[in-house]
Amino acid sequence: GENVEQHPSTLSVQEGDSAVIKCTYSDSASNYFPWYKQELGKRPQLIIDIRSNVGEKKDQRIAVTLNKTAKHFSLHITETQPEDSAVYFCAASISNYQLIWGAGTKLIIKP
Amino acid sequence: DSGVTQTPKHLITATGQRVTLRCSPRSGDLSVYWYQQSLDQGLQFLIQYYNGEERAKGNILERFSAQQFPDLHSELNLSSLELGDSALYFCASSPQTGVLNEQFFGPGTRLTVL
Repeated sequence: GENVEQHPSTLSVQEGDSAVIKCTYSDSASNYFPWYKQELGKRPQLIIDIRSNVGEKKDQRIAVTLNKTAKHFSLHITETQPEDSAVYFCAASISNYQLIWGAGTKLIIKP
Repeated sequence: DSGVTQTPKHLITATGQRVTLRCSPRSGDLSVYWYQQSLDQGLQFLIQYYNGEERAKGNILERFSAQQFPDLHSELNLSSLELGDSALYFCASSPQTGVLNEQFFGPGTRLTVL
C-alpha cells in the first residue's frame, strides 16, 4: 500500500543551527504535502504546506521543498529556537480527501 | 483554540466496556477526521466523514465505529475495549472545498483502559 517514510525519528540540534526533516512518499499521484507540529501535550497544528505545482515555499524561518521526480519533500527550519522543540509530522495526499502520515520526528533544540 | 471541541477530555474505563467520544467541528466545516495516537507514537488515521457520509477508512478496528450527524458533530464508538486501546483520540475538521486543506485538530480525548 501507499506509505510515507519520515527521517530522522529524532533530531537534536544546537539552538541557532538549522534543522532538516525529510519525507519520501510512494504515490506518484500525491499532490498535497502538509507539515504539522505537535508540542508536548498539545494538538497537532499545520505549520506549512505545499502543493505539487510548486517546488518550494517559505514562511519566515520555515521552508518546504518538494522533488516530485524523486518523490520526496523536506522541512527546513533555520535559526532554531527553543520553542521549535516538538514532534513534526509530514503527510502526503493519496486522494482528494485523504492523507497518509509519516511516523514523526522529535526535534530537540539544545541551548 | 482551533474551534474544534472534543468531549470528554479524559476517560477512564475497564476492559470489555464501551465508550463514546464526541467531536464538534469548526463552524462550516463539513469534514471530520478521527485519529488515534498511542503514547509517543504517530497519528493513525481511523475514519473520515463528509457531510454525514463515510468518505475514507483507515486502520479502524471492527470494534470501533463512527458516525456524523445532521448537525455535523461526530461520535466515535469504541467497544469491547482492550488495554491496547488506551490512547489519545483526536478529531479534526476541515472545510473540504474539493481539494485537501488544513485540518484543524481538537484538544483530544485521552482514553485509559484499565
